[in-house]
Amino acid sequence: LAKTTQPISMDSYEGQEVNITCSHNNIATNDYITWYQQFPSQGPRFIIQGYKTKVTNEVASLFIPADRKSSTLSLPRVSLSDTAVYYCLVGDPPYNNNDMRFGAGTRLTVKP
Amino acid sequence: KAGVTQTPRYLIKTRGQQVTLSCSPISGHRSVSWYQQTPGQGLQFLFEYFSETQRNKGNFPGRFSGRQFSNSRSEMNVSTLELGDSALYLCASSLEGVRREAFFGQGTRLTVV
Repeated sequence: LAKTTQPISMDSYEGQEVNITCSHNNIATNDYITWYQQFPSQGPRFIIQGYKTKVTNEVASLFIPADRKSSTLSLPRVSLSDTAVYYCLVGDPPYNNNDMRFGAGTRLTVKP
Repeated sequence: KAGVTQTPRYLIKTRGQQVTLSCSPISGHRSVSWYQQTPGQGLQFLFEYFSETQRNKGNFPGRFSGRQFSNSRSEMNVSTLELGDSALYLCASSLEGVRREAFFGQGTRLTVV
């Protein structure tokens, strides 16, 4: 099973780029890497998903090295509203949820 | 279009009781998954339903069960509640055939006293 490890917390300032790394040494061939953002009293919200190399959308980039044993979520120019908990998920949802694992979450605090 | 709706938002139950939580997925989504979120264990997958059939199941005891109806709405049931079942229960729906994002509801906060 892919154990997923990420830093407990990170601090940043408005306008900076934030990189959050997730380690998943035992990732399986069929597993994808997905990142979610969660605010208090809300359900997680999808940010980005990738399988290998680099994926970019309007809010973030996801970097995945060739061995896929880690991944890095990059948030460009963060603002105060990006203060939240970010979860890394490794697995193959919804086709094989049995082995998917969420990281414990990284609490990002953006300061003015 | 409307998001995932979970009811009720908050619930207080006594040990030994049973509880039923409801989830209405986004229109057109046939996959519904349930998760338990606690400070100690984080986010954990409970089970997933697709077309009224349980397709995947996480590592939870048999006291946790669920079902899905023909309109894709889903319910989960927890019997013989224990204090440790206090958690935020999240439901998520996704579009079949798209290995992409799951859309989460706001959750039901269950407190067992």
